[in-house]
Amino acid sequence: SQQGEEDPQALSIQEGENATMNCSYKTSINNLQWYRQNSGRGLVHLILIRSNEREKHSGRLRVTLDTSKKSSSLLITASRAADTASYFCATVFKAAGNKLTFGGGTRVLVKP
Amino acid sequence: GAVVSQHPSWVICKSGTSVKIECRSLDFQATTMFWYRQFPKQSLMLMATSNEGSKATYEQGVEKDKFLINHASLTLSTLTVTSAHPEDSSFYICSARGNVRRGYGYTFGSGTRLTVV
Repeated sequence: SQQGEEDPQALSIQEGENATMNCSYKTSINNLQWYRQNSGRGLVHLILIRSNEREKHSGRLRVTLDTSKKSSSLLITASRAADTASYFCATVFKAAGNKLTFGGGTRVLVKP
Repeated sequence: GAVVSQHPSWVICKSGTSVKIECRSLDFQATTMFWYRQFPKQSLMLMATSNEGSKATYEQGVEKDKFLINHASLTLSTLTVTSAHPEDSSFYICSARGNVRRGYGYTFGSGTRLTVV
């Protein structure tokens, strides 16, 4: 089963603009992770944020986590055409066997 | 960094035959491996979790006898789709989880596209 929803389902922006996507989840978590998937390929880990963290940065990526609202956001600044991909959030809850449970994903298209 | 090799990357098989997909962790020992299924433009759905030397734990709604999982060693897990039918056509992805304290989190294979004709 999926953990929750991602919003928006699809996003189209111009190169140089920022892209923001949101993820909501249903259960308690130990951490939340964001992944990127190029069409027909495997997943690449982008960033992990622990349940006791509120914000994390990695290069052009900024992730926030609000455990009271059970939501997270991923911001990609100064987007590039190469950022075109699907982005998924995934949660980990140790009591559930450390399995990664994915959200629905956001398909991002960055137009040059 | 951690690398997971998944083979084959694509396979076409006839209805009624079985297909085996391999997932290998190349440079670390995977304490747990996960198998996911992904339909076009959809998210990854967890099928099962396997730990080396023990039976896999299947998610609700996943047929154990149809999707056979074997985790024979700390570096190899296989998924066999038995008596495949066209509705089994999908993208299958494995993920291996190593020792988190050593920096090995969840590493994904590149996926296998299965087409049953």
